[in-house]
Amino acid sequence: DAKTTQPNSMESNEEEPVHLPCNHSTISGTDYIHWYRQLPSQGPEYVIHGLTSNVNNRMASLAIAEDRKSSTLILHRATLRDAAVYYCILRASLLIQGAQKLVFGQGTRLTINP
Amino acid sequence: DVKVTQSSRYLVKRTGEKVFLECVQDMDHENMFWYRQDPGLGLRLIYFSYDVKMKEKGDIPEGYSVSREKKERFSLILESASTNQTSMYLCASSRLRSPLHFGNGTRLTVT
Repeated sequence: DAKTTQPNSMESNEEEPVHLPCNHSTISGTDYIHWYRQLPSQGPEYVIHGLTSNVNNRMASLAIAEDRKSSTLILHRATLRDAAVYYCILRASLLIQGAQKLVFGQGTRLTINP
Repeated sequence: DVKVTQSSRYLVKRTGEKVFLECVQDMDHENMFWYRQDPGLGLRLIYFSYDVKMKEKGDIPEGYSVSREKKERFSLILESASTNQTSMYLCASSRLRSPLHFGNGTRLTVT
């Protein structure tokens, strides 16, 4: 499984943008970049995913480097409820059954200061 | 909204007991997964299933088995619980190529 590298922790202030980096230098051409987050006492929840182009949804934006070896999750205006562990994960797009699993790393613990 | 329901939020069992953790999803998803989460180790995949009666080992299957008799239900079985299986257990489901939806977890304590 291709690996990702994220900082262990980051801190930001409420109502400011947050940029969460992820390195995935061994990504293959068929891997999607997925982001999940885990709020305290809850299971992980899906945030966003992309392949090559930048992506936006109501929760966040995903900026993918041109060589796809890194990506950045962007929270445009952080709130206290965004405090969570954020996971960057590579997922194969191939329709091989084993490829459907997700391998979670340690993630980045994001703290939001009021 | 997709709902993944785990039967218990908290469970306390004794060493040697047979333990069943149940997970039900209501969106006709093909894939279902069982993870455990421990401090410092993150989420680790125990087993997953991509169809009824089909199962695949994840990264840490030892001491566990699974059952998927119906598409909506995926059970994790600890044949003889041990203290090192004290953990948070998370179930998830997904369609092919789609995001995973997680339940809120079962915190199992084995004494």
